[in-house]
Amino acid sequence: GAVVSQHPSRVICKSGTSVKIECRSLDFQATTMFWYRQFPKQSLMLMATSNEGSKATYEQGVEKDKFLINHASLTLSTLTVTSAHPEDSSFYICSARGGGGAGYNEQFFGPGTRLTVL
Amino acid sequence: AQRVTQPEKLLSVFKGAPVELKCNYSYSGSPELFWYVQYSRQRLQLLLRHISRESIKGFTADLNKGETSFHLKKPFAQEEDSAMYYCALSAANSGGYQKVTFGTGTKLQVIP
Repeated sequence: GAVVSQHPSRVICKSGTSVKIECRSLDFQATTMFWYRQFPKQSLMLMATSNEGSKATYEQGVEKDKFLINHASLTLSTLTVTSAHPEDSSFYICSARGGGGAGYNEQFFGPGTRLTVL
Repeated sequence: AQRVTQPEKLLSVFKGAPVELKCNYSYSGSPELFWYVQYSRQRLQLLLRHISRESIKGFTADLNKGETSFHLKKPFAQEEDSAMYYCALSAANSGGYQKVTFGTGTKLQVIP
C-alpha cells in the first residue's frame, strides 16, 4: 500500500514557540491531505482538509491562525502550531488520499506526531 | 451532519468465538463506509470498505441502509485480531469536499 511519513515523530517545545510538522506521501501523489488530532483514548478528530495548491478547509472550532496548514506540493503538507500552549499537547496524525475514480476514498495514514508543550 | 457511533469502547471475546463490532451512522445521502484498524504501536490502516464487499482477514461488514449500520463481523476470533477498530464514514460536506468522520473506536481484546 501507499506510504505516508510524518516528521518529527515526537517534539517537545516551550510554551509560546511554534512547531512545524511535516507529512509526506512517499510513493504517490496526494491530491488531498487531512490533519487529525487524537486525544488519549479518544477518536480522531478532523482538524482540516488541504488540497494541493489551495487553502485548507478547517473544521468548526479549529483556529486557522493557530494551526497553519500548507500543501505546497502533491507530496508534502505541513502543519504549524503557532504560539503553542500546553493545551495543544496532543497526537497529530496526517493522512493522504491520491486521485482516483468516483468512490475511491481510501486514506493512508502517517504514524503520527506526539507534541508536548511545556 | 454526518455522525458515526460505536457503542462499545471495549469488546472482549475468547479465541474462536464470533466477533461483532457495532457501528451505526447518520447521514442523509449515500455515504461510503469503512473500517480502519490500529494494531498496537502501529499506524491506522484500512481494513475494508463497503463498496468492495470483500473479506479481509476473515472480517466482513455489510452496509444496512435500513438500520444505518455497518457492523464488522468475524466468525472465529484470533489473538492477532486484538486491536483498536474504527468505523468511518466518507461523504461530501456542505462545501463539496469529501469529509471522513470517525467513530470513537472499539478496542477488541481476544482472550487466549
